[in-house]
Amino acid sequence: EADIYQTPRYLVIGTGKKITLECSQTMGHDKMYWYQQDPGMELHLIHYSYGVNSTEKGDLSSESTVSRIRTEHFPLTLESARPSHTSQYLCASRVTGDTEAFFGQGTRLTVV
Amino acid sequence: GNSVTQMEGPVTLSEEAFLTINCTYTATGYPSLFWYVQYPGEGLQLLLKATKADDKGSNKGFEATYRKETTSFHLEKGSVQVSDSAVYFCALSGGSVQGAQKLVFGQGTRLTINP
Repeated sequence: EADIYQTPRYLVIGTGKKITLECSQTMGHDKMYWYQQDPGMELHLIHYSYGVNSTEKGDLSSESTVSRIRTEHFPLTLESARPSHTSQYLCASRVTGDTEAFFGQGTRLTVV
Repeated sequence: GNSVTQMEGPVTLSEEAFLTINCTYTATGYPSLFWYVQYPGEGLQLLLKATKADDKGSNKGFEATYRKETTSFHLEKGSVQVSDSAVYFCALSGGSVQGAQKLVFGQGTRLTINP
């Protein structure tokens, strides 16, 4: 069983609010990822990290930001939420190399 | 860059039917290939993987063979169950130094099994 956790599972928030989605893993994995999943199921990579103090933007442009101050923690922040940010956000991690990734259960965000 | 193309869904089958979900990929070098499954309201779980050509990944009755000559990794199961209803994603990683940093996913195939 994967030891990667996302909180909250569900969040409904008003437009303009600042939010942080939490992602933590206890496996000591170097690489971590944030994906946005649209209602049509497709996964879009929005941020990734190779390790502490490393962050990169993914393939889909996002207004969110991330940080990686500790190996186990990779939070995603939206400074000012908008209805267009409504989506499911999935966090994942894996060790270095072409190994499989482990996913959290996701955060379903609704901005009203 | 690397890419994955999956059979479009949704796919609806009767219980005990044979399942095939097609997956083809584009990558330089020799990527690792994966199938993930996502049940409603959950994150993705690894279903099976293969790391080199001609490898066969298998788990829970599902199988997929890494075919380099056809750049394919089709998912098969001989007799599906209602509990197999989920969304299935084909993915790859690696094949090049740059490609090793990311997992690239197909668009997903929604599978529904009717009793």
